[in-house]
Amino acid sequence: DIQTTQSPSSLSASIGDSVTITCRASHTISSHLNWYQQRPGKAPKVLIYGAYRLQSGVPSRFSGSGSGTDFTLTISSLQAEDVATYYCQQSFSNPPWTFGQGTKVDLK
Amino acid sequence: QAQLVQSGSELKKPGASVNISCKTSGSTFRNYALSWVRQAPGQGLEWMGEIITNINTNPGTPTYAQGFAGRFVFSLDTSVSTAYLHISSLEPEDTAVYFCAGESRYYDRSGPYPYFDSWGQGTLVTVSS
Repeated sequence: DIQTTQSPSSLSASIGDSVTITCRASHTISSHLNWYQQRPGKAPKVLIYGAYRLQSGVPSRFSGSGSGTDFTLTISSLQAEDVATYYCQQSFSNPPWTFGQGTKVDLK
Repeated sequence: QAQLVQSGSELKKPGASVNISCKTSGSTFRNYALSWVRQAPGQGLEWMGEIITNINTNPGTPTYAQGFAGRFVFSLDTSVSTAYLHISSLEPEDTAVYFCAGESRYYDRSGPYPYFDSWGQGTLVTVSS
């Protein structure tokens, strides 16, 4: 099975900061990498699919990049409503799909 | 994307069973597949498996992640656009929020890109004596 490892596990940043989260896959997965945001007590919500494709309705301050085994999610200017845990998820070829362990983002 | 509405919280004793439902809006399943995702208290997301909902691709076919075959069973009732997760022989370690998630697929020359574009609100299952 393909494993995904995120870093860091948590971070603190100020409003307006640029924030970057990385995800590494244990095998090459082309661009089959998705990013989700989960606010406390809520269901996850897709932000980015196919490594860099922005889901409809998601603010443009969110962006994704990478291919192969290394990927990043960037929040260009952190807002208060971005406090959440972010997960990467690989969907290469066939199941099982796997999530990263999550990165918790809060305000400094 | 589809709207997914799950059944309410459950409190069960060890050894009991539980059935969680996930109803999609509209008259048909709109996603390719529906996955179940577990989130233990304070932990991350764990993909449990999926059941195919697409009418052209063997609907009702389940795939289970390692560790979720046996006590966990996925099923569909297409007549009411509802998927079910049945868990038997409950253990305290099954205490978690269970989400259903609808899988959509983006296609380009490189093939399909599956992703979860709709989620149920989650169902808390508490297993305690």
